[in-house]
Amino acid sequence: AQKVTQAQTEISVVEKEDVTLDCVYETRDTTYYLFWYKQPPSGELVFLIRRNSFDEQNEISGRYSWNFQKSTSSFNFTITASQVVDSAVYFCALSEAGDYKLSFGAGTTVTVRA
Amino acid sequence: ETGVTQTPRHLVMGMTNKKSLKCEQHLGHNAMYWYKQSAKKPLELMFVYSLEERVENNSVPSRFSPECPNSSHLFLHLHTLQPEDSALYLCASSPDTGGDSYNEQFFGPGTRLTVL
Repeated sequence: AQKVTQAQTEISVVEKEDVTLDCVYETRDTTYYLFWYKQPPSGELVFLIRRNSFDEQNEISGRYSWNFQKSTSSFNFTITASQVVDSAVYFCALSEAGDYKLSFGAGTTVTVRA
Repeated sequence: ETGVTQTPRHLVMGMTNKKSLKCEQHLGHNAMYWYKQSAKKPLELMFVYSLEERVENNSVPSRFSPECPNSSHLFLHLHTLQPEDSALYLCASSPDTGGDSYNEQFFGPGTRLTVL
């Protein structure tokens, strides 16, 4: 069974603060993929990143960074120096190799105040 | 047009109406998906098509009827809906549905449906 938990329902920060979104997953497979998506108020889910289970290297893309730790089954996402445009709902998702299904977490709503 | 487009973006309908949602992907993908996103609920996968064949139907009521005439187009036909069907309906596409490759889904902007 797959399961993705995003324990934080809402996070509110002031602009320029850093914000970290937690994601914990469960799977029995050794090969799987983890994703983060952003859903701004317009509604469209925007793909941010994909990691496979064999690559634990942390990744940085501009103000975004991701910390993948298999030992704790976590794939956390940090926004550095947040901006108002970062306000959105962020979803973590998991899929197992050979399976088209994406298991989504419940999402974390991030509000960045000016 | 690029990516995944959906029309209409907003739809208000009565319970006795018949309407259709349209999704088009311009990414050359083989798989297409319908999701339902209700307030305060996780995304629910409704239907999956691979090369125009339905491969998943997640116990969705028959008042929702999907149609995939080709790998670029996906429709969701709606009839005699209930107020609880009001939600954001998202369409997505991916290169494929299986094998050893990852499944990276690209989403459209969604149709905000309100059933009165």
